[in-house]
Amino acid sequence: AQKVTQTQTSISVVEKTTVTMDCVYETRDSSYFLFWYKQTASGEIVFLIRQDSYKKENATVGHYSLNFQKPKSSIGLIITATQIEDSAVYFCAMRDMNYNQGKLIFGQGTKLSIKP
Amino acid sequence: EAAVTQSPRNKVTVTGGNVTLSCRQTNSHNYMYWYRQDTGHGLRLIHYSYGAGNLQIGDVPDGYKATRTTQEDFFLLLELASPSQTSLYFCASSETGANTEVFFGKGTRLTVV
Repeated sequence: AQKVTQTQTSISVVEKTTVTMDCVYETRDSSYFLFWYKQTASGEIVFLIRQDSYKKENATVGHYSLNFQKPKSSIGLIITATQIEDSAVYFCAMRDMNYNQGKLIFGQGTKLSIKP
Repeated sequence: EAAVTQSPRNKVTVTGGNVTLSCRQTNSHNYMYWYRQDTGHGLRLIHYSYGAGNLQIGDVPDGYKATRTTQEDFFLLLELASPSQTSLYFCASSETGANTEVFFGKGTRLTVV
């Protein structure tokens, strides 16, 4: 069965520092896709970055990067040079390639607060 | 930019009442999803669909029905609403392909009193 778990309920860091948010997942599929989404204070949910399970290189987009550790079923989100506007709730999500017909499931979310 | 429109944005109903939440996407996406968001639980999948007439069961389907009438329209039905269904509901859509991103609507806040 698919499962995505985020155990960090909230994190607070000082502006311009680096933060890492954790996520672990379960799947029976050998190929799958992992995503991170951001929910802003207004409630809007937007896509940030994706990791393909068959790629060894960690994905990077702007100041977002991923720490993909396949043997540990772990996909961490790293935000460097954090800004106040990075304050939001971050969700990890997963889709199998071969099973579950497009089912996309999310973790519980981590609330990130950036302090000046 | 993909557009997913939910209506109503806010709804209050009584216990035992009928409620229909509507979602329309205008980007010819095949996949559509209904999630509920609750503190401590994140986004939980209720139902999803990969095309008109298709319905797939999500992880928290009890008490909900859904119907995909066209490629654009996906409805969530609560036929006997209960206070436990008070939540923030999101609709989302995506293209076919497991690697595609989903686009979310702005959400519907439902309160069952």
